[in-house]
Amino acid sequence: QQQVKQSPQSLIVQKGGISIINCAYENTAFDYFPWYQQFPGKGPALLIAIRPDVSEKKEGRFTISFNKSAKQFSLHIMDSQPGDSATYFCAAKTSYDKVIFGPGTSLSVIP
Amino acid sequence: DAMVIQNPRYQVTQFGKPVTLSCSQTLNHNVMYWYQQKSSQAPKLLFHYYDKDFNNEADTPDNFQSRRPNTSFCFLDIRSPGLGDAAMYLCATSRSLSGDGYTFGSGTRLTVV
Repeated sequence: QQQVKQSPQSLIVQKGGISIINCAYENTAFDYFPWYQQFPGKGPALLIAIRPDVSEKKEGRFTISFNKSAKQFSLHIMDSQPGDSATYFCAAKTSYDKVIFGPGTSLSVIP
Repeated sequence: DAMVIQNPRYQVTQFGKPVTLSCSQTLNHNVMYWYQQKSSQAPKLLFHYYDKDFNNEADTPDNFQSRRPNTSFCFLDIRSPGLGDAAMYLCATSRSLSGDGYTFGSGTRLTVV
């Protein structure tokens, strides 16, 4: 029940296209859902996060869509750029507990 | 800039030879975490400190220990590294346990020969 599922495992998108990564969870006590971006040889960096009281959050080209009833959330990257090529981890957390990471999605944006 | 700094970036150690990785932070965060990340996998939490309180994950091998002498520094000690311990080790901080995002360091890549 602590697991966060993530798909796809890898994704190839053309420059200018939309990248979509999907995640699902079981634990209804999760109340914070961050996305981390990790470049090779670097630590993960917080990209964007959402709480379950909103259905969507947008920051620049990055949007989180959240469906509380379905226990699913997704990351949309609009106008994808080669510089967005990285591994993306969705995650979930309850208050006073650790972050649970999804298995990651390797995104390649090709020119 | 406030940040999380890990040293060294790359560490090569011999099989069975104790090794220590270090992490320092200028964020004045109360919580410091150590993660192990193997190739193409999600980070796996080993343990964390909330202030001076140490919290070990149930499945963290006894071979891994940690010390936090003060707010700014935290060390990961691997007493007898095996080949399976080769990984990226990530340090992260957060303001509190209920805090939001974690701030990660750039990691230490450990090679065991």
